[in-house]
This record gives sequence, structure tokens and C-alpha cells, in this order.
Amino acid sequence: NAGVTQTPKFRILKIGQSMTLQCTQDMNHNYMYWYRQDPGMGLKLIYYSVGAGITDKGEVPNGYNVSRSTTEDFPLRLELAAPSQTSVYFCASSRGGMDTGELFFGEGSRLTVL
Amino acid sequence: EDKVVQSPLSLVVHEGDTVTLNCSYEVTNFRSLLWYKQEKKAPTFLFMLTSSGIEKKSGRLSSILDKKELFSILNITATQTGDSAIYLCAASGAGSYQLTFGKGTKLSVIP
Repeated sequence: NAGVTQTPKFRILKIGQSMTLQCTQDMNHNYMYWYRQDPGMGLKLIYYSVGAGITDKGEVPNGYNVSRSTTEDFPLRLELAAPSQTSVYFCASSRGGMDTGELFFGEGSRLTVL
Repeated sequence: EDKVVQSPLSLVVHEGDTVTLNCSYEVTNFRSLLWYKQEKKAPTFLFMLTSSGIEKKSGRLSSILDKKELFSILNITATQTGDSAIYLCAASGAGSYQLTFGKGTKLSVIP
């Protein structure tokens, strides 16, 4: 009963380093999303995917990249980490598009860039 | 630009109180409004509302949507300390792949 699984849960990066946040879901959902949550700011969409091989930018995509080679996996890559990318990152999935139902969230990855 | 505004941003109540959380929205081609509860980790789904005036209920929680005035409320009756959380409101537009989230209301229930 895993749902959406994110790794790592915590990470500290130095400015300019790169890393990948992993996300996998076992619900066979076509739609997957990456959000970031800053204190007191709600959730902002970074990238989303409507199916394997298809990705698109959300509201705040700069400094990030994604890929979707399988239905299950949707990794988020940070290139040249900056302090502004310090945040909590949530991966989510859904059966249909956002006008059809709820999001299922992973437990989050807390990233600090120093 | 789509916008969701929640109020209040934080609230402290005593156990047993009833609370009302507010959410107003401006979303192009509005389709649905969703409420989530976020404790320490991931947000968890509470309600999805698409029709005006129809109350959705789950135990002590209930929610209703007013599409004319563009707002929704989330009511929690007989609050318990386990209701302490951030409550997130989000809205979607038809054909959209995005949810627009509000900043959340932080509810603290003290014994």
C-alpha cells in the first residue's frame, strides 16, 4: 500500500551542486506533479506530466528539469542548486486531470541549499 | 492569473469549539474546489466540491461551495487536538492540469 514514495526525505546541498529527487507511484496514475512548498506560501506547481513521455512546465519551473520514462517514475532534477531552492518538495499523482479528482501526495523532501 | 485566498491564516481555539475556515477563489473556467489537511507531512484529501449549495460531510467536518460568490467554507464542529493542522484550499479550471493553492489556514486546537 505504498502510494507515492519520495526519496530522499532530507538533503543538504551546497550552492552549485546538482541532485535528483526521486518519485514513484504504484497506483498506475497517468498524471504526476511536482510542487514546492515554502513557509506560509502554499504549494506551487513546478512541473507536471500527463503520461509517460509527456511533461510540461508549471508555475515555477526555472532551475528544475523532469523526465517521465515510465508511468511509475517522475524524477525532479535540480541543476546548479541555489539558496532560493531551499524548500519542501512534494510529488503527487492523480487518476485524471485536476478537474476530475484528488491528488495523492508523497511525504515530502526537505531540501536545504547552503 | 488564478488566485485562491484563505482566511484566517492562523487560528487558535479550545477543544470543543466550532471553527469556520474560508476560501475565496478567482479561477478561469472554474471546475472544482478541493480541501486538504496537512499535518506534519503530506496533505491528505478532505473534500472536492463542484456544485453550489451542496454540503459535503465527513464526521465533524463539512464543506460547502458558493459559485456565485466564489467562495467555500470548511466547518469543523466539536474540535479536537487531532484537528490541529494546516488546512489547504485549492481550485482547478476545466481542462487544467494545475491546482491553484491558497496559503493555508493553520489551526491550533488547545485542550
